[in-house]
Amino acid sequence: GENVEQHPSTLSVQEGDSAVIKCTYSDSASNYFPWYKQELGKGPQLIIDIRSNVGEKKDQRIAVTLNKTAKHFSLHITETQPEDSAVYFCAASISDYKLSFGAGTTVTVRA
Amino acid sequence: DSGVTQTPKHLITATGQRVTLRCSPRSGDLSVYWYQQSLDQGLQFLIQYYNGEERAKGNILERFSAQQFPDLHSELNLSSLELGDSALYFCASSPREGGYTEAFFGQGTRLTVV
Repeated sequence: GENVEQHPSTLSVQEGDSAVIKCTYSDSASNYFPWYKQELGKGPQLIIDIRSNVGEKKDQRIAVTLNKTAKHFSLHITETQPEDSAVYFCAASISDYKLSFGAGTTVTVRA
Repeated sequence: DSGVTQTPKHLITATGQRVTLRCSPRSGDLSVYWYQQSLDQGLQFLIQYYNGEERAKGNILERFSAQQFPDLHSELNLSSLELGDSALYFCASSPREGGYTEAFFGQGTRLTVV
């Protein structure tokens, strides 16, 4: 089955700096790559997703890039704010929506 | 608020017991997914139902079973509980059977087996 690796496991950034989280996947058939944000006591919430026919997607301060050849994708958060502090999960799917999640990255934004 | 409702929020039970977790999907969503989140295993896909029928199975133990009812709510049944079953159990829903569709997660049920 699909195996998704996520790095780093923890990330501490100064407010206003950028944060980058990287994921790799094993199954070249994967074609849907969502990113979820999980705040304490809540369920994961989709923040951005990308499909295999797109190399990059941006939504305000968040961007995701995908390199299908290398089988890796990344989340970029610019101008980080304290409310960006959370656990971020990458995931991969082969269209049947059986999401395989990375282990998560705990992001802390220091004021 | 995602629109997905899970009950109960917390559950404490003893080993060997059986529990039922309930999920009400967002209005109009036909697919329901169950995930288990534990500290050592992360978020693991358990099972998916679409319009009452099982569609996909993940790492679901034989002691666990699920179903989706005609009103589209779903229940996850966990039996012969072990300490290792302690985890957060999430339900998610989406409008379609699969493929490029955002899944909305509920707030989860925290199960503690003592």
